[in-house]
Amino acid sequence: GQNIDQPTEMTATEGAIVQINCTYQTSGFNGLFWYQQHAGEAPTFLSYNVLDGLEEKGRFSSFLSRSKGYSYLLLKELQMKDSASYLCAVEGFQKLVFGTGTRLLVSP
Amino acid sequence: NAGVMQNPRHLVRRRGQEARLRCSPMKGHSHVYWYRQLPEEGLKFMVYLQKENIIDESGMPKERFSAEFPKEGPSILRIQQVVRGDSAAYFCASSTLTPGQGLNTGELFFGEGSRLTVL
Repeated sequence: GQNIDQPTEMTATEGAIVQINCTYQTSGFNGLFWYQQHAGEAPTFLSYNVLDGLEEKGRFSSFLSRSKGYSYLLLKELQMKDSASYLCAVEGFQKLVFGTGTRLLVSP
Repeated sequence: NAGVMQNPRHLVRRRGQEARLRCSPMKGHSHVYWYRQLPEEGLKFMVYLQKENIIDESGMPKERFSAEFPKEGPSILRIQQVVRGDSAAYFCASSTLTPGQGLNTGELFFGEGSRLTVL
């Protein structure tokens, strides 16, 4: 079976740092993805981790621990435009399985 | 991701009618995925197709739903005898995935989605 858990909703202040956690239990693992989705729009790719450790890309970083089945997305210097849903997804057997997403609200 | 084209963007159907959703993958992509997203929920995998082949349909409801990706033309997701519970956004994604290799590096590109409303 496959199970991917994320918090449903988070709030943060403009300029702050926020960490969105994701835990997973899946059969087959070829990598973990984070996608951003603004309301009414298509998901867009943010990051990909296949090895343990931290991947940094500008204001966004993603961490993976395969032994713990755990990942987080770190967003720094938050901006109002970062208000969106953040989807954790695990690739197994040539398809992506998504979590329910974390809705992030950034306030002034 | 603007290269994955879905139409219609919005579709309204009455219960019992048929809905057909179309997806043209990015140029050069021969692998298509369909996902369904209910309001306030995540993306649920439905089906993975290559040209003229269904590779994985483990997420498709057993009845009323079908998908195809013909040699020529777009991929089609067909829902027969729609019910109110079918109201959702249906997203198509494409990749250049080669069988046996992982998706890696975010090679899955999404279309803007088709929003089905069943009255």
